[in-house]
Amino acid sequence: DAGITQSPRHKVTETGTPVTLRCHQTENHRYMYWYRQDPGHGLRLIHYSYGVKDTDKGEVSDGYSVSRSKTEDFLLTLESATSSQTSVYFCAISNTAARSYNEQFFGPGTRLTVL
Amino acid sequence: AQSVSQHNHHVILSEAASLELGCNYSYGGTVNLFWYVQYPGQHLQLLLKYFSGDPLVKGIKGFEAEFIKSKFSFNLRKPSVQWSDTAEYFCAVNSLTGGGNKLTFGTGTQLKVEL
Repeated sequence: DAGITQSPRHKVTETGTPVTLRCHQTENHRYMYWYRQDPGHGLRLIHYSYGVKDTDKGEVSDGYSVSRSKTEDFLLTLESATSSQTSVYFCAISNTAARSYNEQFFGPGTRLTVL
Repeated sequence: AQSVSQHNHHVILSEAASLELGCNYSYGGTVNLFWYVQYPGQHLQLLLKYFSGDPLVKGIKGFEAEFIKSKFSFNLRKPSVQWSDTAEYFCAVNSLTGGGNKLTFGTGTQLKVEL
């Protein structure tokens, strides 16, 4: 398994509070991603990073921000959590020496519940 | 934008039955194609991938998939399923001519294999 950890693994929080999820990799991969997984929607990309301090939005980025100050860490912040952000969040990484190498490796996930 | 359709949302099979899960994508250019599997309570794992060459690709655990460019399809098959194949299966597509290194996932197919 790729060296990807996510913390925390489970979190319960209240509406309106800020929440930060952390993804840590030991593979030195360039690309990192945050997805949310919801029944009936599959995985949807929130934000991704193509290098330190280089990030871009995915299809469901509203209400989320990210930061990447080091290659190994990619943080996802919910600025003011809402119940609609209750989900399972997955981090993924990929190494793209060539554009054809787009396989992504996934972390164990964080289950977030917003009450 | 790229879209991916998985037509079967829930599939129930008996052990030893044959499996075929459909996947269609919308983009007409060069693509990389993936099938991921998610066992209950676990993260996504790569089953198989297509980058180029032989359109019939073989993956782990006896799974295979066929890329049919004219039909924009990448269907997953297994001749004889086992109870341990119970999981959710996701098709994913990366289009190489735009949008950076991002995957678009289908909504998933939940497979249940009964003894």
